[in-house]
Amino acid sequence: AQSVTQPDIHITVSEGASLELRCNYSYGATPYLFWYVQSPGQGLQLLLKYFSGDTLVQGIKGFEAEFKRSQSSFNLRKPSVHWSDAAEYFCAVAPKNYGQNFVFGPGTRLSVLP
Amino acid sequence: KAGVTQTPRYLIKTRGQQVTLSCSPISGHRSVSWYQQTPGQGLQFLFEYFSETQRNKGNFPGRFSGRQFSNSRSEMNVSTLELGDSALYLCASSRGQGGTGELFFGEGSRLTVL
Repeated sequence: AQSVTQPDIHITVSEGASLELRCNYSYGATPYLFWYVQSPGQGLQLLLKYFSGDTLVQGIKGFEAEFKRSQSSFNLRKPSVHWSDAAEYFCAVAPKNYGQNFVFGPGTRLSVLP
Repeated sequence: KAGVTQTPRYLIKTRGQQVTLSCSPISGHRSVSWYQQTPGQGLQFLFEYFSETQRNKGNFPGRFSGRQFSNSRSEMNVSTLELGDSALYLCASSRGQGGTGELFFGEGSRLTVL
């Protein structure tokens, strides 16, 4: 069965510092890959997605992610974190051409120090 | 363009009761999926509906059911509520035609079972 691992439960960074959130997945073939963000009491907002092609994808709010097939990873990065980035981040995979049965990772909570 | 709307946002029920949650997808979206989010289990897929038909179902007991109407609006029902059903229930919509597209989430319905 497919699974998603986010090794870091909680990360704290200072405002202005760089950020990398890790995501590894287990799946028989390359799935569709997503990063979502959730602020307290809110639903999930899509940051970026990877379907195929260029392995470095750009998203909203200055985020980017790199797909590495050999490592089954899809890590999220941001060069300079803003206080408003404090939230929970979820990596998700979905099998190609199989509807909306997304599998989400456990999430990484990001705290930002002023 | 209005987003995904879920009602009610908050509700409190007692064990043994049943609950119905409603979701209005983004206009033009024909696929609606439901997820349960809890601190212990994270985000788990419940089911997906497309054109009034259940297309996928997660690993939940039969107490959890759903349906979709001809206008793509969806409802989910949980019967004989248990304490463990306390969760944030998220609805997501997508265009749904063909393979997997990105999900657009509502803000969720927070259910507390006493």
